[in-house]
Amino acid sequence: DAGITQSPRYKITETGRQVTLMCHQTWSHSYMFWYRQDLGHGLRLIYYSAAADITDKGEVPDGYVVSRSKTENFPLTLESATRSQTSVYFCASTWDKGNQETQYFGPGTRLLVL
Amino acid sequence: SQKIEQNSEALNIQEGKTATLTCNYTNYSPAYLQWYRQDPGRGPVFLLLIRENEKEKRKERLKVTFDTTLKQSLFHITASQPADSATYLCALEKDTGRRALTFGSGTRLQVQP
Repeated sequence: DAGITQSPRYKITETGRQVTLMCHQTWSHSYMFWYRQDLGHGLRLIYYSAAADITDKGEVPDGYVVSRSKTENFPLTLESATRSQTSVYFCASTWDKGNQETQYFGPGTRLLVL
Repeated sequence: SQKIEQNSEALNIQEGKTATLTCNYTNYSPAYLQWYRQDPGRGPVFLLLIRENEKEKRKERLKVTFDTTLKQSLFHITASQPADSATYLCALEKDTGRRALTFGSGTRLQVQP
């Protein structure tokens, strides 16, 4: 199916474990983003990527690692999960063409770190 | 520092009335501003984009205004319906041309039948 998908949709892990959240889009969008959403903070940008092999930090990058070897995939890794990383994570994508700034969001991954 | 502020309290209105949501920002010089809708348990969905040289934009029952002097955008839903109940987010590009957005914390709208 066309669109943007995230997996897993729900994840429970323990502190100190490594966790990878997957994001896949079928539009060949150049830009991809990872946000986290917490009560009281709204959506905050973790990392983003303008193209394959190009990534940049957002507002809250500490404790996260990203890679983008293929245009359609943008995995987010928590190298050693902490309780403060319990959150809902959203992936999004958009074009790099002028006047095409709409971001398309995935359904989210709910992560609980015990 | 850059800030985007939306009414943090929920907005409750009667069906058929016009809902007006506010987005104020500081220390941005945005080329455009976007509004998104978010339903519980789902990702945000794009609604409207308004550019710095546009004063107003409409889409069906939705209207957005953008005042770069006041640094404010207003989002209106006319003839509101219970199905319009959701959280509405405004967003600005963090750095011009880089596509990464900074979001306000959102305003929850509840339309009573």
